[in-house]
Amino acid sequence: QKEVEQDPGPLSVPEGAIVSLNCTYSNSAFQYFMWYRQYSRKGPELLMYTYSSGNKEDGRFTAQVDKSSKYISLFIRDSQPSDSATYLCAMSSLSGNQFYFGTGTSLTVIP
Amino acid sequence: DVKVTQSSRYLVKRTGEKVFLECVQDMDHENMFWYRQDPGLGLRLIYFSYDVKMKEKGDIPEGYSVSREKKERFSLILESASTNQTSMYLCATSWGDRVFDEQFFGPGTRLTVL
Repeated sequence: QKEVEQDPGPLSVPEGAIVSLNCTYSNSAFQYFMWYRQYSRKGPELLMYTYSSGNKEDGRFTAQVDKSSKYISLFIRDSQPSDSATYLCAMSSLSGNQFYFGTGTSLTVIP
Repeated sequence: DVKVTQSSRYLVKRTGEKVFLECVQDMDHENMFWYRQDPGLGLRLIYFSYDVKMKEKGDIPEGYSVSREKKERFSLILESASTNQTSMYLCATSWGDRVFDEQFFGPGTRLTVL
């Protein structure tokens, strides 16, 4: 079993839709959770960084962590064509010496 | 803003050639990383460095070496390029003790080995 599982998609939604991107993990040591966005032919950029369980909101983006289910989500409200990208989850342990990226979900928002 | 630059966006080399990929950062970050990114496999860590002249193997170091003579520069070396090293190579940096968190990535180098 992989440490981090992420559905590769592709996911295609109409402009204005609410998008839900998800990752599951198996290692209960993970405490810090990240979402990166990667545009085509560019490097990933950090979008959201959260610690432990709960929600964190930043504009149209909400990161949600459910440690009891080992499940994290990124919600995008009012999705825009400029949100079209690959989204990668990442997570690390409390000590920081265990770190994994998900393989990424490709999202296209259609105007 | 952190700026991470990589020496080439696209590179074509022949099997057996020695290949140098360079990464330079301008924000005085202690930690630097080299990844390769392949469809379906995601990002895989090749090597990282947490200080000048220090290096640590990542998940897939075979066939690669690295050099960090100055804090701002981290080089990836393919001693004898092979076709299975055709990939997108990404450099990243971070600061602080949580070495892997909050990484800043360069634009990537698409390497093709013929």
